Amino acid sequence: AQSVTQLDSQVPVFEEAPVELRCNYSSSVSVYLFWYVQYPNQGLQLLLKYLSGSTLVKGINGFEAEFNKSQTSFHLRKPSVHISDTAEYFCAVSDQNSGNTPLVFGKGTRLSVIA
Amino acid sequence: SAVISQKPSRDICQRGTSLTIQCQVDSQVTMMFWYRQQPGQSLTLIATANQGSEATYESGFVIDKFPISRPNLTFSTLTVSNMSPEDSSIYLCSAQGGVVDGYTFGSGTRLTVV
Repeated sequence: AQSVTQLDSQVPVFEEAPVELRCNYSSSVSVYLFWYVQYPNQGLQLLLKYLSGSTLVKGINGFEAEFNKSQTSFHLRKPSVHISDTAEYFCAVSDQNSGNTPLVFGKGTRLSVIA
Repeated sequence: SAVISQKPSRDICQRGTSLTIQCQVDSQVTMMFWYRQQPGQSLTLIATANQGSEATYESGFVIDKFPISRPNLTFSTLTVSNMSPEDSSIYLCSAQGGVVDGYTFGSGTRLTVV
């Protein structure tokens, strides 16, 4: 079974500063990896996903993530954050070898951007 | 990717009553998933719903409390039965539209039980 660890529950950062949200996963099989964002009182929106190929994945709103198989990590980065990036961010994993399996989520990281 | 319409978006219910949440997908999907997000928490999988068979429930969730229907490949419902204040959460449905499309989520149902 897979599991996801998001190492930081809260990350405060000043506006226009860079940010990295950390995600590590545990799995005995190959996985697909995802980052979702949840703005206050809203549903989940997909930021980016890693399925295969290039380990550097670019997503929406200027976010990117790098898949590191040896470190079983999929950290999310943005070079310069905006106030509007304040939200909850979830890392998730699914089993690559089984069709139609549900996502397993980390506990989430609350990003607070400070003006 | 698939688009999911989920309703109601929110509701306030009396304890002891039941609420049925509906999710409509704009394309056919094999599996749909139901999650619960308790206040300030992550998403916990309740069950997996496959069309034409009984839903598969995760540990800690039972069919009598959370009956699920999946009458066709574009629709599913989750009922929260005999509600108590501890059931106050956001409930989300999800569908996988294929590996490339990834997973889509409904906008969620914010349930408050009083």
